[in-house]
Amino acid sequence: DTEVTQTPKHLVMGMTNKKSLKCEQHMGHRAMYWYKQKAKKPPELMFVYSYEKLSINESVPSRFSPECPNSSLLNLHLHALQPEDSALYLCASSFPNGRTNTEAFFGQGTRLTVV
Amino acid sequence: AQSVTQLGSHVSVSEGALVLLRCNYSSSVPPYLFWYVQYPNQGLQLLLKYTSAATLVKGINGFEAEFKKSETSFHLTKPSAHMSDAAEYFCAVSPRRGSNASKIIFGSGTRLSIQP
Repeated sequence: DTEVTQTPKHLVMGMTNKKSLKCEQHMGHRAMYWYKQKAKKPPELMFVYSYEKLSINESVPSRFSPECPNSSLLNLHLHALQPEDSALYLCASSFPNGRTNTEAFFGQGTRLTVV
Repeated sequence: AQSVTQLGSHVSVSEGALVLLRCNYSSSVPPYLFWYVQYPNQGLQLLLKYTSAATLVKGINGFEAEFKKSETSFHLTKPSAHMSDAAEYFCAVSPRRGSNASKIIFGSGTRLSIQP
């Protein structure tokens, strides 16, 4: 199984809503990532979890709240988002080898629209 | 901080022609380097990676890339383009060690178009 599964595939939410994005992998990877990708732009790193601990937060606004309940699951909780937060949200995982990483495996993404 | 620069936001080639997508990295220590492909409305798929073994790396779908330390480059090539190669291509870098070892950072991307 070399898949990273993200749900839902599409999400439309109002600015006052609370929603969550989910990501799951069963490859035994111990690093998991959230990226945000705007149209015609590269993915931008948001958060990195390493061994279920948040290791990198790229100064992301607090309306985005990550959670790693166990080594296979990664959530991104959304609250009070703005229309400019509309984007493709990508989850990825990799297996850290000591202090370095192998390649990252990506999910298909969640297309988020904030109205 | 490490980074990659992709020269050319859009490359167009004829079907059957050589594909060359350029990537240069910035790092005092040779990092890990990757090429990913992204088809419309999909996630990213790894084409190939350089992690310090052979400098000529072969990937999927007939792509290959050569790591040249003297030029700090990792250009992606394919001898003969196919219509199905039309997509967005990203070069990415990950440091070998240090506090940012978990970061995988992407270049700005190159959109490859194939003309029949």
